[in-house]
Amino acid sequence: GENVEQHPSTLSVQEGDSAVIKCTYSDSASNYFPWYKQELGKGPQLIIDIRSNVGEKKDQRIAVTLNKTAKHFSLHITETQPEDSAVYFCAASSINFGNEKLTFGTGTRLTIIP
Amino acid sequence: EAEVAQSPRYKITEKSQAVAFWCDPISGHATLYWYRQILGQGPELLVQFQDESVVDDSQLPKDRFSAERLKGVDSTLKIQPAELGDSAMYLCASSLTGNTDTQYFGPGTRLTVL
Repeated sequence: GENVEQHPSTLSVQEGDSAVIKCTYSDSASNYFPWYKQELGKGPQLIIDIRSNVGEKKDQRIAVTLNKTAKHFSLHITETQPEDSAVYFCAASSINFGNEKLTFGTGTRLTIIP
Repeated sequence: EAEVAQSPRYKITEKSQAVAFWCDPISGHATLYWYRQILGQGPELLVQFQDESVVDDSQLPKDRFSAERLKGVDSTLKIQPAELGDSAMYLCASSLTGNTDTQYFGPGTRLTVL
């Protein structure tokens, strides 16, 4: 099955600086890569996603890049703000028993230092 | 904005007792997922429904866990008997079709087994 690795596990950046989180996946057939933000005591919320026919996608301060050849994708947050502090999860979608299945990374705890 | 509802938010039980969690997906969403999230890890799929049918329960410990979605709308996940290792966050998610479309998560149920 699919295996997703995520790095780093913790990341601290000064407010206003950029943050980058990286993920690798194992199943070359995976074609959908969402990123979720999880705040304390809440369920994960989708912040951005990318499909395999696109190399990069941007939404205001958040961007995601995908390298299908190397099987890795990254989340970039620019001009970080205190409200960006949370745990971020990457995921990759693969076919399992004929159905799409999301496999999540282990998460990155991002702390923005004021 | 429509949301996935879950109850209870918190549950404390003793080992060997039975527990049940309820999920109401976003109206019109055909696909419903139950995930387990152990502290410090990403969500792991337990069971996936397409309407009222189970399409993937390969990771569900069937000796003690059961899930149903009788009318293809809301769903119940049951554990009987609960074990210490079942302490985790149980997340419900739903999506429109289950085919690489966005999964929306509920707030989760935090289970503590004593």
